[in-house]
Amino acid sequence: DSGVTQTPKHLITATGQRVTLRCSPRSGDLSVYWYQQSLDQGLQFLIQYYNGEERAKGNILERFSAQQFPDLHSELNLSSLELGDSALYFCASSSHRESYEQYFGPGTRLTVT
Amino acid sequence: DQQVKQNSPSLSVQEGRISILNCDYTNSMFDYFLWYKKYPAEGPTFLISISSIKDKNEDGRFTVFLNKSAKHLSLHIVPSQPGDSAVYFCAASVGSGNTPLVFGKGTRLSVIA
Repeated sequence: DSGVTQTPKHLITATGQRVTLRCSPRSGDLSVYWYQQSLDQGLQFLIQYYNGEERAKGNILERFSAQQFPDLHSELNLSSLELGDSALYFCASSSHRESYEQYFGPGTRLTVT
Repeated sequence: DQQVKQNSPSLSVQEGRISILNCDYTNSMFDYFLWYKKYPAEGPTFLISISSIKDKNEDGRFTVFLNKSAKHLSLHIVPSQPGDSAVYFCAASVGSGNTPLVFGKGTRLSVIA
């Protein structure tokens, strides 16, 4: 158990809808990262938050947004969903110290029909 | 443009033998490399890492080798065990930590008893 929790585990929704994925980092970790894993692909970095502030942005679509709350949990909002958004979405966290290792949650599997 | 490449989608090895997983990268700014292991329906789990100032790091049955001039790293597992069967991801990072990881597409290792 990495200590990172994600809800829900599975999500099935229709095209055009909006969903929210939730992540709670390990206790004490200030950095939260979101990654997307599509079929047969590696993990693609979407966005990073550090202590409530956006720190880095990857290949995140404009239809997607995220935030980190004062209690350090994070939410990833996906809107106007398309079939191609079906994927595994992972959240990871890392220590506030200089730390390369990231600890991953179990992921949310999103299926858009 | 894939900056981290794992050219073997799959590898099959007999129990007790050595498993060698390879990874190539193109970005010479990468200065830290990590290997993650992923079982089905779970998030990636950190396995072992290496800084660019080293050429080898060992942890039990796992050793990572880095050849900076060739922009190549490899993960050796000796002896391989059936429980090692998983997808292995190579990842790379730039900077002093707390930065996003760039992942390869993964290699599926099957250890046959």
